[in-house]
Amino acid sequence: NAGVTQTPKFQVLKTGQSMTLQCAQDMNHEYMSWYRQDPGMGLRLIHYSVGAGITDQGEVPNGYNVSRSTTEDFPLRLLSAAPSQTSVYFCASSYGTGENTEAFFGQGTRLTVV
Amino acid sequence: QKEVEQDPGPLSVPEGAIVSLNCTYSNSAFQYFMWYRQYSRKGPELLMYTYSSGNKEDGRFTAQVDKSSKYISLFIRDSQPSDSATYLCAVEGTYKYIFGTGTRLKVLA
Repeated sequence: NAGVTQTPKFQVLKTGQSMTLQCAQDMNHEYMSWYRQDPGMGLRLIHYSVGAGITDQGEVPNGYNVSRSTTEDFPLRLLSAAPSQTSVYFCASSYGTGENTEAFFGQGTRLTVV
Repeated sequence: QKEVEQDPGPLSVPEGAIVSLNCTYSNSAFQYFMWYRQYSRKGPELLMYTYSSGNKEDGRFTAQVDKSSKYISLFIRDSQPSDSATYLCAVEGTYKYIFGTGTRLKVLA
């Protein structure tokens, strides 16, 4: 069982470039989400999905797009990278919400925008 | 006001000490409360999960929720250097988790 797999682990982008952060899970979880983690800010929710074809915005969605065409994959697209998007990005998945539903996190993608 | 507030630390304690980590939250509707542990350059991992008020114990770890004061606590007994990590509290909102900023803990050998 691979769990939640994120690629790439590290990335450097120039301002204005676009890229896609990949996230895949093999646990057949319905719920998937993207967070960014910045010093002193904790984990902030960017976008989330409650199932294939269904996505919604979180706390900090501007500059990011998502889609969910399959249960397994939930890619995060940066449309035009800005230095403010320099962060560590985590993808998470869970079976659902409610009692005893654990969110499993990937290992993170460290993104630097120069 | 943030929905979940957590002192970022850092907190340094000697090995064997009892550690107390705390969070407050704003929305009384929250029912599920979690503590995640995050080692440096790794993703967070679930440590404790509590429903509603009360205590939950797992080995050296005790999670406590006081809904009347909207206060979440994690106690670590007999702390070890391997407990050095960032501890994040979280609450479960509608279809999402809301995290505190995390408290960085260092246990000195």
